[in-house]
Amino acid sequence: NAGVTQTPKFRVLKTGQSMTLLCAQDMNHEYMYWYRQDPGMGLRLIHYSVGEGTTAKGEVPDGYNVSRLKKQNFLLGLESAAPSQTSVYFCASSFMKTGGGTEAFFGQGTRLTVV
Amino acid sequence: GENVEQHPSTLSVQEGDSAVIKCTYSDSASNYFPWYKQELGKRPQLIIDIRSNVGEKKDQRIAVTLNKTAKHFSLHITETQPEDSAVYFCAASGRGSTLGRLYFGRGTQLTVWP
Repeated sequence: NAGVTQTPKFRVLKTGQSMTLLCAQDMNHEYMYWYRQDPGMGLRLIHYSVGEGTTAKGEVPDGYNVSRLKKQNFLLGLESAAPSQTSVYFCASSFMKTGGGTEAFFGQGTRLTVV
Repeated sequence: GENVEQHPSTLSVQEGDSAVIKCTYSDSASNYFPWYKQELGKRPQLIIDIRSNVGEKKDQRIAVTLNKTAKHFSLHITETQPEDSAVYFCAASGRGSTLGRLYFGRGTQLTVWP
């Protein structure tokens, strides 16, 4: 049981390049999320999905796109990378607990640098 | 939507002392409040959680309290140890239109000095 796995772990991009971050979970969770973490800013939600085929915007969606074609995968795309997108990206998945509330499980993170 | 505020942003304590981190939330529909610990270079991991129908929960040296009326909840760590040094995040989970979302505070960097 691998949990939540992100690919790649590190990446350096040039301004204007595109890339896709892959998140895979093997826990059959309905909900999946992409966060970015910057110093002093906590975890900011980029996009999320409440089920296969659905996506929704979070707090900071500009410059990113996502897709959830399969329940176990959630892809984050950067069409034209900018230095402001230099960050650590975390994927997470969660399930609805009995009695309410969602417990999130995080991937190991992707450190992205845009030069 | 929900707004979670967390204080302080940094906290330094001597080994053996207690540490308290406080959070407030804005949406009365939130009913689940987890706390995550993130060690340096690692992923956030759940350490304790509390539901809106419970006022306090304890797990060994850590405890969480919730005041629904005032919309605030706190993490208490007693007998702190150097391995408690990490960033701690509080979060709130709602219902209705925000079902499935977790709203995080900005985090508290806790440093425990030996």
